[in-house]
Amino acid sequence: NAGVTQTPKFRILKIGQSMTLQCTQDMNHNYMYWYRQDPGMGLKLIYYSVGAGITDKGEVPNGYNVSRSTTEDFPLRLELAAPSQTSVYFCASSWAGEYNEQFFGPGTRLTVL
Amino acid sequence: AQKVTQAQTEISVVEKEDVTLDCVYETRDTTYYLFWYKQPPSGELVFLIRRNSFDEQNEISGRYSWNFQKSTSSFNFTITASQVVDSAVYFCALSDTDKLIFGTGTRLQVFP
Repeated sequence: NAGVTQTPKFRILKIGQSMTLQCTQDMNHNYMYWYRQDPGMGLKLIYYSVGAGITDKGEVPNGYNVSRSTTEDFPLRLELAAPSQTSVYFCASSWAGEYNEQFFGPGTRLTVL
Repeated sequence: AQKVTQAQTEISVVEKEDVTLDCVYETRDTTYYLFWYKQPPSGELVFLIRRNSFDEQNEISGRYSWNFQKSTSSFNFTITASQVVDSAVYFCALSDTDKLIFGTGTRLQVFP
């Protein structure tokens, strides 16, 4: 099992550009999550999904969009990138939501210049 | 409201010292789960332990131990005889509907 994979590992964007961060898990987990971690800070929940076709906002959803068309994939879309979106983005998945531990991907380091 | 407080922002110790990382939580739920994660300098997040609210027994795993006390709403993490490899940011988390609430983390630096 590869677990949770994220692509790309690193990316530099110019202000106003858009991009999609990919996240795939092969553990057949229903729940998936996107977090951002700013330098020296904790994790902030952006969006999450409790199953294919269902998504919900987290603490900091502005400037982002998500979709969940399959159990395995949970892409995060950044529209009109801004310097405030410079961060490390982590995708995670779990079997049963709040009852189980989350498994994290390796992260995507995004810089917006 | 669900809340996790890790009041210690940063702790520095010398190798072989024991160190305790504090975690205090607030919850409206009678059944809940608590978690600890480690984030080493390489950046990945590593799951360490899960504890449910009905199990107040302390847990020990090698040099790591966890003390869960419902009376004080705390779930503290102790590293015995710390090593340089324990240097990391440690996060405590609390279950919430469909997700986890993370604390702000404690950065532990272990010096040789």
